[in-house]
Amino acid sequence: EIVMTQSPATLSVSPGERATLSCRASQSFSSNLAWYQQKPGQAPRLLIYGASTRATGIPARFSGSGSGTEFTLTISSLQSEDFAVYYCQQYNNWPPTWTFGQGTKVEIK
Amino acid sequence: QLQLVESGGGVVQPGRSLRLSCTASGFTFTSYGMHWVRQAPGKGLEWVALIWYDGGNKYYADSVKGRFSISRDNSKNTLYLQMNSLRAEDTAVYYCARDRTPGYGMDVWGQGTTVTVSS
Repeated sequence: EIVMTQSPATLSVSPGERATLSCRASQSFSSNLAWYQQKPGQAPRLLIYGASTRATGIPARFSGSGSGTEFTLTISSLQSEDFAVYYCQQYNNWPPTWTFGQGTKVEIK
Repeated sequence: QLQLVESGGGVVQPGRSLRLSCTASGFTFTSYGMHWVRQAPGKGLEWVALIWYDGGNKYYADSVKGRFSISRDNSKNTLYLQMNSLRAEDTAVYYCARDRTPGYGMDVWGQGTTVTVSS
Protein backbone atom coordinates (compact mmCIF):
# COMPACT_ATOMS: atom_id res chain seq x y z
CA GLU A 1 0.00 0.00 0.00
CA ILE A 2 1.33 3.40 -0.99
CA VAL A 3 1.18 6.01 1.76
CA MET A 4 0.88 9.67 0.79
CA THR A 5 2.41 12.20 3.17
CA GLN A 6 1.68 15.90 2.81
CA SER A 7 3.71 18.72 4.26
CA PRO A 8 3.42 21.00 5.98
CA ALA A 9 0.27 20.21 7.93
CA THR A 10 -0.50 23.93 8.10
CA LEU A 11 0.86 26.70 5.92
CA SER A 12 0.42 30.34 6.97
CA VAL A 13 0.57 32.65 3.98
CA SER A 14 -0.29 36.29 3.35
CA PRO A 15 -2.64 37.16 0.47
CA GLY A 16 -0.67 37.71 -2.72
CA GLU A 17 2.17 35.45 -1.64
CA ARG A 18 3.16 32.12 -3.15
CA ALA A 19 2.23 28.85 -1.47
CA THR A 20 4.07 25.61 -2.09
CA LEU A 21 2.51 22.37 -0.87
CA SER A 22 4.33 19.04 -0.91
CA CYS A 23 3.07 15.49 -1.32
CA ARG A 24 5.40 12.53 -0.97
CA ALA A 25 4.64 8.91 -1.80
CA SER A 26 6.11 5.98 0.10
CA GLN A 27 7.03 4.38 -3.21
CA SER A 28 7.28 5.51 -6.79
CA PHE A 29 4.25 5.32 -9.06
CA SER A 30 3.06 6.79 -12.34
CA SER A 31 1.91 10.38 -12.52
CA ASN A 32 -1.63 9.42 -11.56
CA LEU A 33 -1.73 12.12 -8.94
CA ALA A 34 -4.52 14.62 -8.30
CA TRP A 35 -4.94 17.64 -6.03
CA TYR A 36 -8.19 18.76 -4.43
CA GLN A 37 -9.30 21.86 -2.56
CA GLN A 38 -11.84 21.63 0.24
CA LYS A 39 -13.44 24.54 2.06
CA PRO A 40 -15.31 24.13 5.34
CA GLY A 41 -18.70 22.52 4.89
CA GLN A 42 -18.11 21.88 1.19
CA ALA A 43 -17.25 18.90 -0.94
CA PRO A 44 -13.75 18.65 -2.37
CA ARG A 45 -13.04 20.22 -5.75
CA LEU A 46 -10.65 18.76 -8.29
CA LEU A 47 -7.82 21.17 -9.07
CA ILE A 48 -5.11 19.14 -10.81
CA TYR A 49 -4.95 15.68 -12.38
CA GLY A 50 -2.15 13.75 -14.02
CA ALA A 51 0.17 15.59 -11.63
CA SER A 52 0.21 18.80 -13.69
CA THR A 53 -3.00 19.31 -15.71
CA ARG A 54 -5.48 21.84 -14.39
CA ALA A 55 -9.08 20.69 -14.24
CA THR A 56 -11.78 22.59 -16.06
CA GLY A 57 -12.26 26.11 -14.75
CA ILE A 58 -9.27 26.11 -12.42
CA PRO A 59 -7.34 29.39 -12.47
CA ALA A 60 -3.84 29.47 -13.86
CA ARG A 61 -2.38 30.46 -10.49
CA PHE A 62 -2.71 26.81 -9.51
CA SER A 63 0.01 24.55 -10.89
CA GLY A 64 1.15 21.03 -10.20
CA SER A 65 4.46 19.35 -10.78
CA GLY A 66 6.51 16.31 -9.84
CA SER A 67 6.93 12.64 -10.57
CA GLY A 68 8.03 9.44 -8.93
CA THR A 69 7.59 10.07 -5.23
CA GLU A 70 7.66 13.87 -4.97
CA PHE A 71 4.82 16.10 -6.07
CA THR A 72 4.11 19.79 -5.54
CA LEU A 73 1.10 22.06 -5.75
CA THR A 74 1.94 25.73 -6.17
CA ILE A 75 -0.45 28.62 -5.79
CA SER A 76 1.39 31.53 -7.34
CA SER A 77 -0.45 34.44 -5.68
CA LEU A 78 -2.90 33.52 -2.98
CA GLN A 79 -6.35 35.00 -3.20
CA SER A 80 -8.78 35.17 -0.29
CA GLU A 81 -10.83 32.32 -1.75
CA ASP A 82 -7.78 30.02 -1.78
CA PHE A 83 -7.60 29.60 1.97
CA ALA A 84 -8.71 26.02 2.40
CA VAL A 85 -7.46 22.48 2.95
CA TYR A 86 -5.66 20.80 0.06
CA TYR A 87 -5.39 17.06 -0.48
CA CYS A 88 -3.24 15.05 -2.83
CA GLN A 89 -4.57 11.73 -4.06
CA GLN A 90 -2.78 8.86 -5.74
CA TYR A 91 -4.20 6.15 -7.95
CA ASN A 92 -2.62 2.72 -7.90
CA ASN A 93 -3.18 0.57 -10.95
CA TRP A 94 -3.25 -2.79 -9.25
CA PRO A 95 -5.05 -3.49 -7.15
CA PRO A 96 -7.03 -0.40 -8.06
CA THR A 97 -6.99 1.83 -5.02
CA TRP A 98 -7.09 5.55 -4.42
CA THR A 99 -5.16 7.02 -1.51
CA PHE A 100 -5.42 10.55 -0.14
CA GLY A 101 -2.80 12.43 1.77
CA GLN A 102 -3.76 13.76 5.17
CA GLY A 103 -4.16 17.32 3.88
CA THR A 104 -2.47 20.70 4.17
CA LYS A 105 -4.41 23.60 5.60
CA VAL A 106 -3.56 26.93 4.00
CA GLU A 107 -4.45 29.70 6.42
CA ILE A 108 -4.18 33.45 6.42
CA LYS A 109 -1.01 34.79 7.99
CA GLN B 1 -25.63 21.21 -14.81
CA LEU B 2 -23.55 18.35 -13.53
CA GLN B 3 -25.01 17.19 -10.25
CA LEU B 4 -24.74 14.37 -7.73
CA VAL B 5 -27.16 14.21 -4.82
CA GLU B 6 -26.61 11.79 -1.96
CA SER B 7 -29.27 10.59 0.42
CA GLY B 8 -29.88 7.89 3.00
CA GLY B 9 -27.64 9.01 5.81
CA GLY B 10 -28.71 9.01 9.43
CA VAL B 11 -28.05 7.67 12.90
CA VAL B 12 -27.69 3.90 13.18
CA GLN B 13 -26.65 1.55 15.96
CA PRO B 14 -23.41 -0.44 15.75
CA GLY B 15 -23.86 -3.69 13.89
CA ARG B 16 -26.84 -2.45 11.89
CA SER B 17 -27.10 -1.68 8.19
CA LEU B 18 -27.74 1.40 6.08
CA ARG B 19 -27.99 2.03 2.34
CA LEU B 20 -26.85 5.27 0.77
CA SER B 21 -27.98 6.51 -2.63
CA CYS B 22 -26.48 8.98 -5.06
CA THR B 23 -28.55 10.28 -7.96
CA ALA B 24 -26.77 11.76 -10.95
CA SER B 25 -27.97 14.34 -13.46
CA GLY B 26 -26.54 16.53 -16.19
CA PHE B 27 -24.21 13.92 -17.65
CA THR B 28 -24.27 10.45 -19.17
CA PHE B 29 -24.14 8.36 -16.01
CA THR B 30 -23.52 5.14 -17.90
CA SER B 31 -20.19 6.44 -19.21
CA TYR B 32 -18.46 6.90 -15.87
CA GLY B 33 -17.09 4.95 -13.00
CA MET B 34 -18.31 6.18 -9.64
CA HIS B 35 -16.69 6.40 -6.22
CA TRP B 36 -17.73 6.66 -2.63
CA VAL B 37 -15.37 8.72 -0.47
CA ARG B 38 -15.86 9.44 3.22
CA GLN B 39 -14.62 11.97 5.75
CA ALA B 40 -14.78 11.34 9.46
CA PRO B 41 -15.48 14.39 11.65
CA GLY B 42 -12.47 16.71 11.61
CA LYS B 43 -10.44 14.25 9.57
CA GLY B 44 -9.20 13.87 6.00
CA LEU B 45 -10.65 12.13 3.00
CA GLU B 46 -10.75 8.34 2.72
CA TRP B 47 -11.58 6.49 -0.48
CA VAL B 48 -14.20 3.78 0.14
CA ALA B 49 -15.16 2.09 -3.12
CA LEU B 50 -15.34 2.35 -6.91
CA ILE B 51 -17.66 0.75 -9.42
CA TRP B 52 -17.02 0.68 -13.13
CA TYR B 53 -19.37 2.43 -15.56
CA ASP B 54 -21.16 -0.83 -16.32
CA GLY B 55 -21.01 -2.31 -12.84
CA GLY B 56 -18.64 -4.95 -14.14
CA ASN B 57 -15.90 -4.37 -11.58
CA LYS B 58 -15.92 -3.14 -8.02
CA TYR B 59 -13.06 -2.25 -5.72
CA TYR B 60 -12.99 -1.54 -2.01
CA ALA B 61 -10.76 -0.08 0.64
CA ASP B 62 -9.50 -2.69 3.07
CA SER B 63 -11.33 -0.91 5.90
CA VAL B 64 -14.74 -1.74 4.40
CA LYS B 65 -14.09 -4.88 2.41
CA GLY B 66 -16.58 -7.61 3.23
CA ARG B 67 -18.94 -5.17 4.97
CA PHE B 68 -19.81 -2.60 2.32
CA SER B 69 -21.12 -3.21 -1.19
CA ILE B 70 -21.21 -0.70 -4.03
CA SER B 71 -23.74 -1.04 -6.84
CA ARG B 72 -25.50 1.02 -9.45
CA ASP B 73 -28.74 1.11 -11.40
CA ASN B 74 -27.95 2.77 -14.71
CA SER B 75 -31.63 2.88 -15.65
CA LYS B 76 -32.16 5.18 -12.67
CA ASN B 77 -28.86 7.08 -12.85
CA THR B 78 -28.29 6.03 -9.27
CA LEU B 79 -25.32 4.77 -7.30
CA TYR B 80 -25.67 2.86 -4.03
CA LEU B 81 -23.57 1.95 -1.04
CA GLN B 82 -24.90 -0.86 1.12
CA MET B 83 -23.23 -0.67 4.51
CA ASN B 84 -23.50 -3.67 6.83
CA SER B 85 -22.05 -4.43 10.24
CA LEU B 86 -21.52 -0.75 10.87
CA ARG B 87 -18.94 0.37 13.41
CA ALA B 88 -18.38 3.61 15.25
CA GLU B 89 -15.38 4.29 13.04
CA ASP B 90 -17.67 4.34 9.99
CA THR B 91 -19.12 7.62 11.26
CA ALA B 92 -18.44 10.14 8.51
CA VAL B 93 -19.78 12.30 5.74
CA TYR B 94 -20.11 10.09 2.67
CA TYR B 95 -19.58 11.64 -0.72
CA CYS B 96 -20.21 10.14 -4.11
CA ALA B 97 -17.88 11.31 -6.85
CA ARG B 98 -17.52 10.79 -10.57
CA ASP B 99 -14.34 9.14 -11.82
CA ARG B 100 -12.97 11.23 -14.63
CA THR B 101 -10.88 8.33 -15.87
CA PRO B 102 -8.90 6.00 -13.60
CA GLY B 103 -5.88 7.97 -12.50
CA TYR B 104 -7.24 11.30 -13.63
CA GLY B 105 -9.17 12.39 -10.60
CA MET B 106 -12.68 12.66 -9.26
CA ASP B 107 -14.18 15.61 -11.06
CA VAL B 108 -17.78 15.87 -9.86
CA TRP B 109 -18.79 15.51 -6.21
CA GLY B 110 -22.05 15.44 -4.33
CA GLN B 111 -22.67 17.52 -1.23
CA GLY B 112 -22.38 14.50 1.06
CA THR B 113 -24.66 12.64 3.44
CA THR B 114 -23.85 12.10 7.11
CA VAL B 115 -23.74 8.68 8.72
CA THR B 116 -23.47 8.45 12.49
CA VAL B 117 -22.94 5.06 14.09
CA SER B 118 -23.79 5.26 17.75
CA SER B 119 -25.69 3.35 20.36
